[in-house]
Amino acid sequence: DGGITQSPKYLFRKEGQNVTLSCEQNLNHDAMYWYRQDPGQGLRLIYYSQIVNDFQKGDIAEGYSVSREKKESFPLTVTSAQKNPTAFYLCASPSNTGELFFGEGSRLTVL
Amino acid sequence: RKEVEQDPGPFNVPEGATVAFNCTYSNSASQSFFWYRQDCRKEPKLLMSVYSSGNEDGRFTAQLNRASQYISLLIRDSKLSDSATYLCVVNMIDNFNKFYFGSGTKLNVKP
Repeated sequence: DGGITQSPKYLFRKEGQNVTLSCEQNLNHDAMYWYRQDPGQGLRLIYYSQIVNDFQKGDIAEGYSVSREKKESFPLTVTSAQKNPTAFYLCASPSNTGELFFGEGSRLTVL
Repeated sequence: RKEVEQDPGPFNVPEGATVAFNCTYSNSASQSFFWYRQDCRKEPKLLMSVYSSGNEDGRFTAQLNRASQYISLLIRDSKLSDSATYLCVVNMIDNFNKFYFGSGTKLNVKP
């Protein structure tokens, strides 16, 4: 079955550490997105990539970085510059019909 | 002002009840509309797209009023398994395919 795989599902980080969240898709989609979800808030866009080797900042990119070296892969690095990184991170990719497919999410907790 | 606004609830209803959720969006250029369901600590999953003519899928009916910039979801004969958070999602294609998310409406169906 085609889909989006995120790992790890749960991650604990000490303050000052960088962590990288993996996102892999086998949907053959061009576009991939990273969102952050906090309790009681809608999903907020961190970074997006419309095509391999290209990515753009979303609404809350500060403290995050991404790469898009392969069509299938769009990893997100949460850097030590991100002041409040504890959140639920969702990788997503839209289909041609507009449906947004999500990975299962990665829950990051800063200790 | 938020792009998409929803009543956060929670809506506490007995099994078998009919419940309606509403959502308003601010940008009249919005093009596609969706309802997603999100279970606790899980990723959002598409419940249904929303069309101007209104559409129904079993116990679920979605309606769109472009003039009032208003979307609704009606759930008839509520089941315990309907308990979840329902996200209103609006899509607009600017320089990329951008999605705007409501903060979600929580539904608790009680026996």
